[in-house]
Amino acid sequence: LAKTTQPISMDSYEGQEVNITCSHNNIATNDYITWYQQFPSQGPRFIIQGYKTKVTNEVASLFIPADRKSSTLSLPRVSLSDTAVYYCLVGDGGTYKYIFGTGTRLKVLA
Amino acid sequence: DSGVTQTPKHLITATGQRVTLRCSPRSGDLSVYWYQQSLDQGLQFLIQYYNGEERAKGNILERFSAQQFPDLHSELNLSSLELGDSALYFCASSVGRGQNTGELFFGEGSRLTVL
Repeated sequence: LAKTTQPISMDSYEGQEVNITCSHNNIATNDYITWYQQFPSQGPRFIIQGYKTKVTNEVASLFIPADRKSSTLSLPRVSLSDTAVYYCLVGDGGTYKYIFGTGTRLKVLA
Repeated sequence: DSGVTQTPKHLITATGQRVTLRCSPRSGDLSVYWYQQSLDQGLQFLIQYYNGEERAKGNILERFSAQQFPDLHSELNLSSLELGDSALYFCASSVGRGQNTGELFFGEGSRLTVL
């Protein structure tokens, strides 16, 4: 079962690009990588998902190197409203258990 | 709006009591997951059901139980409540049963306070 490791916290300023890296050394061959955003007292919300290389949507990009042992969530031009906890989630490896890591608490400063 | 509905949103009860939390998954989703999140803590996986059958168990206490009904809604039963059970309980749903995609849709949670 893949375990993820992320930085506990990060600070950034409005308008900057933020990159949050997640390590998942024992990712299984058919596991996907998914990132979630969680605001206080709310359920996590899907941001982006990928399997390999680069994926981009309207809010973020996800970079996955060839060995897939890590991934980087990139948030372009963050605003104060991006202050939240970001979780990297690796697929269940066939166990049906989706185990969240500790997440990265991002604080965006004015 | 994720499409996942949880009730009640808030619940206050006393130690030793029993409560039931309810979850209605998104239309068409067959899998339901339950997570516990204590104050300022991460999400702890409790249990997963697929089309009425239990598929995976996490760190779920023996005082807790769950089930998924034929109409696919799920209930999490918490009994002999202790102060430490105070937490946000989230339900999530997904289409498949472990397709390794990790694309889960979460409800807004049920906040349980045990006094």
